[in-house]
Amino acid sequence: QKEVEQDPGPLSVPEGAIVSLNCTYSNSAFQYFMWYRQYSRKGPELLMYTYSSGNKEDGRFTAQVDKSSKYISLFIRDSQPSDSATYLCAMSGNNQGGKLIFGQGTELSVKP
Amino acid sequence: EAGVAQSPRYKIIEKRQSVAFWCNPISGHATLYWYQQILGQGPKLLIQFQNNGVVDDSQLPKDRFSAERLKGVDSTLKIQPAKLEDSAVYLCASSPGQGSEQYFGPGTRLTVT
Repeated sequence: QKEVEQDPGPLSVPEGAIVSLNCTYSNSAFQYFMWYRQYSRKGPELLMYTYSSGNKEDGRFTAQVDKSSKYISLFIRDSQPSDSATYLCAMSGNNQGGKLIFGQGTELSVKP
Repeated sequence: EAGVAQSPRYKIIEKRQSVAFWCNPISGHATLYWYQQILGQGPKLLIQFQNNGVVDDSQLPKDRFSAERLKGVDSTLKIQPAKLEDSAVYLCASSPGQGSEQYFGPGTRLTVT
């Protein structure tokens, strides 16, 4: 079993839709949770950084962490074609010195 | 603020040849990471530096991979000899300290034929 599981998709939605991306994990020591966006042939770009449980909102993006269920989500409101990319969840714990464990990534396509 | 710089962007070599990648982190970032990203997968940590010391190299194939960060700033990652399964994107990331947000460079796409 992988430490972090993420549905690879691909996920295709129409412009303006609400997108929900999810990851599950098995290591209860994870405390830092991140979402990265990666365009084709580019490096990952940090979108959201969350510590422990709760919600965080930034513009059209909302990150949710449910540590009791070992489940994290990223919601994208009013999705745009420019949101088409691969979304990677990543997480780390205090005992890991900053090492990130990534999910496989979900490929998202937003159609005009 | 300049981001993480990497070179070259692309490299094609034959198996058993050697190759080196270079990374310059964001100014002032003490922690530097090298990740390997195989097509269709998430990045996997190869090695982590704190200033010029190695923090974690547990997943670095030390028989063929080596890395250094001599002056605590830029870093090089070397593969010698390369194998077909080393074909991947090699990403460098930096952060102000361990546990902080990590910022990635554009990566070096390596193809081994």
